[in-house]
Amino acid sequence: ILNVEQSPQSLHVQEGDSTNFTCSFPSSNFYALHWYRWETAKSPEALFVMTLNGDEKKKGRISATLNTKEGYSYLYIKGSQPEDSATYLCAFPSGTYKYIFGTGTRLKVLA
Amino acid sequence: GAVVSQHPSRVICKSGTSVKIECRSLDFQATTMFWYRQFPKQSLMLMATSNEGSKATYEQGVEKDKFLINHASLTLSTLTVTSAHPEDSSFYICSAILTSGGRGETQYFGPGTRLLVL
Repeated sequence: ILNVEQSPQSLHVQEGDSTNFTCSFPSSNFYALHWYRWETAKSPEALFVMTLNGDEKKKGRISATLNTKEGYSYLYIKGSQPEDSATYLCAFPSGTYKYIFGTGTRLKVLA
Repeated sequence: GAVVSQHPSRVICKSGTSVKIECRSLDFQATTMFWYRQFPKQSLMLMATSNEGSKATYEQGVEKDKFLINHASLTLSTLTVTSAHPEDSSFYICSAILTSGGRGETQYFGPGTRLLVL
């Protein structure tokens, strides 16, 4: 059974702090890893698709890195803002269309 | 672009009734849509893959007669929870992909439907 784990489950940070969280996934048969941001009452929003070992992608203050050999990806947020408050999900494709999702990291940025 | 809507956002129904949830791709054609369910504090679990014009493919353990999926057009898939029971109360969310690119393909999600069966 493939398992995708995210840690921590939840996180409170002060506005302006930088933070990061982890997604762990099976290191064998890697194809891609997806990161999504999910704000309450909205649709999950695609952030990144990571495919290459060592890859680093950036979108504004958010960046992500990928280590396929050890099976983890980090998501970093620099200078957190209240609008960054959301659940951050990672998803690991285990087949053509079957994505295994982590339970997410719930981030709350306090003003 | 790539907006997916879902309706209703919340529904409360009596046990034994059927509930239909619609998933629409608003600005693109989606040959493939997906239905997920999420229980509290758990991850999104794929229920079925819906392909336009053909029968849905259900994941192991998901009753196809209980969760009827219809994908009649390139922009609409529906999930009908038949004879709903309290244990069907959950959060249901759909997604769609733009092409048939496979595992690197981003899925675009609707906002989800909260179902409560009394």
